[in-house]
Amino acid sequence: NAGVTQTPKFRILKIGQSMTLQCTQDMNHNYMYWYRQDPGMGLKLIYYSVGAGITDKGEVPNGYNVSRSTTEDFPLRLELAAPSQTSVYFCASSYVGEETQYFGPGTRLLVL
Amino acid sequence: EDKVVQSPLSLVVHEGDTVTLNCSYEVTNFRSLLWYKQEKKAPTFLFMLTSSGIEKKSGRLSSILDKKELFSILNITATQTGDSAVYLCAVINLRGGADGLTFGKGTHLIIQP
Repeated sequence: NAGVTQTPKFRILKIGQSMTLQCTQDMNHNYMYWYRQDPGMGLKLIYYSVGAGITDKGEVPNGYNVSRSTTEDFPLRLELAAPSQTSVYFCASSYVGEETQYFGPGTRLLVL
Repeated sequence: EDKVVQSPLSLVVHEGDTVTLNCSYEVTNFRSLLWYKQEKKAPTFLFMLTSSGIEKKSGRLSSILDKKELFSILNITATQTGDSAVYLCAVINLRGGADGLTFGKGTHLIIQP
């Protein structure tokens, strides 16, 4: 198993550009999550999904969108990038009823 | 609003020392507390604690939860330079799933040779 994979590893965006952060897991986990981590801060939940076709907002959803068309994939979309979205983005997944979340390697995003 | 406070925020010790990291929390309908280790990349799971007073142990790392006083400690004995990392504490409330997970800011631990 590759576990949770994320692409790209690093990206620089100009203000107003859009991009999609990809996340895929091969563990057949129902739950998937997107977090952002700012320097010196803990992880903040952006969006989560409890299964294909179901998504919901987390703590900091503004400026982001997600979709979950398959169990494996959970892309995160930034429509109009802003400097405040400069952060490291982590995708995670877990089994239904299990609280241990498995994290991807992260995507470092810089918005200039 | 659920809250997780970790202390200290950073800690520098010498190899071989023992360290204790603290995590206190305020959460409605507590379900479990998790510890993660984060090196340069993604957090990796260490422990999940649900019951008060039961120590979880893995090698030189151990953790215990006090549900009455609303805190947990992570202990590392005979520290090594490879223990240098940010240690994250997170709690889950009884809503479960993703919406109930709250992280602390982490403790940045540096082990000097």
